Amino acid sequence: DAGITQSPRHKVTETGTPVTLRCHQTENHRYMYWYRQDPGHGLRLIHYSYGVKDTDKGEVSDGYSVSRSKTEDFLLTLESATSSQTSVYFCAISESKGQSSGANVLTFGAGSRLTVL
Amino acid sequence: AQSVTQLDSHVSVSEGTPVLLRCNYSSSYSPSLFWYVQHPNKGLQLLLKYTSAATLVKGINGFEAEFKKSETSFHLTKPSAHMSDAAEYFCVVSVGSGGGADGLTFGKGTHLIIQP
Repeated sequence: DAGITQSPRHKVTETGTPVTLRCHQTENHRYMYWYRQDPGHGLRLIHYSYGVKDTDKGEVSDGYSVSRSKTEDFLLTLESATSSQTSVYFCAISESKGQSSGANVLTFGAGSRLTVL
Repeated sequence: AQSVTQLDSHVSVSEGTPVLLRCNYSSSYSPSLFWYVQHPNKGLQLLLKYTSAATLVKGINGFEAEFKKSETSFHLTKPSAHMSDAAEYFCVVSVGSGGGADGLTFGKGTHLIIQP
């Protein structure tokens, strides 16, 4: 997973506590994404960013917020964690979108496993 | 709107035999299509992509996929399975915009099991 790192890789927390996951890239890619992966659901988009301070909601954004103050960092925050947010979270980056040959190719981080008790 | 269906949640083959993972899609526009592989406790890795060039696409590790517009399919194949191919495989469709908020829609995945 060269060029993209997630931290922490594992976290156990209690219901009601805030949690922040960090995604850091060294590729200078414009687009960054947060997905969650759950059995039987594949990957579902939480939020994504198309530039510094430019973010948008995905399919499952309720209970999550994001921030991108620098090109290289994209933070995912659970303001008050719930057991339903126990999941594996993946960050991904892409250089471009659209219909060009290299568009929409995602590079994924190694994942952050979050357990909410 | 766009969608993608992976027809098998699990596929089991013997080592050395062919692999077929099936993917059907629906899209109102000319799609880009991707296959990603996820090994245990790892992130997803791009196997191959189709972006309106040749309909037969070759990827890494001996995998290939054929885009068939008439059948709205993008099945993934490999002539001879190796133990290291055991993983989860995801088919992804993109029209660049629309669909999901970022234009990408993931299938639910196919778990490939390789029997020795």
